Amino acid sequence: DAGVTQSPTHLIKTRGQQVTLRCSPKSGHDTVSWYQQALGQGPQFIFQYYEEEERQRGNFPDRFSGHQFPNYSSELNVNALLLGDSALYLCASSLSWASFYNEQFFGPGTRLTVL
Amino acid sequence: KNEVEQSPQNLTAQEGEFITINCSYSVGISALHWLQQHPGGGIVSLFMLSSGKKKHGRLIATINIQEKHSSLHITASHPRDSAVYICAVNSGGGADGLTFGKGTHLIIQP
Repeated sequence: DAGVTQSPTHLIKTRGQQVTLRCSPKSGHDTVSWYQQALGQGPQFIFQYYEEEERQRGNFPDRFSGHQFPNYSSELNVNALLLGDSALYLCASSLSWASFYNEQFFGPGTRLTVL
Repeated sequence: KNEVEQSPQNLTAQEGEFITINCSYSVGISALHWLQQHPGGGIVSLFMLSSGKKKHGRLIATINIQEKHSSLHITASHPRDSAVYICAVNSGGGADGLTFGKGTHLIIQP
């Protein structure tokens, strides 16, 4: 049973560029959450997708957008990259947005460096 | 907005020692998670709990809902336990994303 997978593992971009990160959830999971983890900090919640819709969003600007596909995989898009967007981007999957106990399974992350 | 505080931020101990990492939060929660993160980034879920105590191998997690406090204990610590341990909470029922503490960097020396 494959766990949560993310691609690419590492990415280098320059300021002003756009980037797309991808996540495939654990088999059977239908909910995907994205997190940003700056160096030395705990992760910060970006948004969560369920049934191909953004269900909840953290305190991130509109430059951060996402998408969920019918097979539950998800993309995170960041436009007009800033140096401060350099971070580890983590994807986590879970079963059922409506679940009160929302155990999440994390992917290995994508390390984004903005120069 | 829930505030999650962990202590200590850094902990170095000798192999075999009993380890305690603490987590406190400011607002009532639906569930609390203890996560382990190794160098390179991968995060593993250790426990998810909403009351009482859970045990898995040498790891024990407890939570006191009234005091808004949780502890993660490691018995008979081993160098392979060296990692960052992160506390995270769901602040309400359903879909809200996790709010994370900054993590505790644990080093177990042989």
